[in-house]
Amino acid sequence: GQNIDQPTEMTATEGAIVQINCTYQTSGFNGLFWYQQHAGEAPTFLSYNVLDGLEEKGRFSSFLSRSKGYSYLLLKELQMKDSASYLCAVMDSNYQLIWGAGTKLIIKP
Amino acid sequence: IAGITQAPTSQILAAGRRMTLRCTQDMRHNAMYWYRQDLGLGLRLIHYSNTAGTTGKGEVPDGYSVSRANTDDFPLTLASAVPSQTSVYFCASSGDNTGELFFGEGSRLTVL
Repeated sequence: GQNIDQPTEMTATEGAIVQINCTYQTSGFNGLFWYQQHAGEAPTFLSYNVLDGLEEKGRFSSFLSRSKGYSYLLLKELQMKDSASYLCAVMDSNYQLIWGAGTKLIIKP
Repeated sequence: IAGITQAPTSQILAAGRRMTLRCTQDMRHNAMYWYRQDLGLGLRLIHYSNTAGTTGKGEVPDGYSVSRANTDDFPLTLASAVPSQTSVYFCASSGDNTGELFFGEGSRLTVL
């Protein structure tokens, strides 16, 4: 079966760095996506990786290793507004997104 | 209308009743999706449509139906609601075969 694993919850301190991991087992691979979802709101797109390596976008970076079925989202200079759930999703061979349950990130002052 | 709009935002429904969740987008995206989101679970695909006039079943289609008469609208119907359909429902759209989805604000449905 297809599976996306990510930690349920993480806590970090304002101004610090946090890394949210995601491992996956899917039938085929056409890209890995990270979304941010604030409580009570819709998910919004953060990043996309299809080749191995690091993609940087401001304070957020996303890394992919296809051979290991592994990705991480790195958030730098954490701000209180970064408190949200972060969803990892993989596009399978049928071009359908398979979603992880999300990691709730709590930022403390 | 800007982006993707869902209605209603919230609804309490008696079991056995019929309910249609509306979704409209103005981005001219070909692909549209309906997901449900439940606590502790990832987003689960109910139905999708790759283009107007076509629809497909997702991971959890039972008890739901959709139609795609035109590019903009993609309503989701619960023919006879059951309590297990209590959930938050998200409609989304995307360009062809991209994983960058644009989501509506969600419809919180409670079936009693």
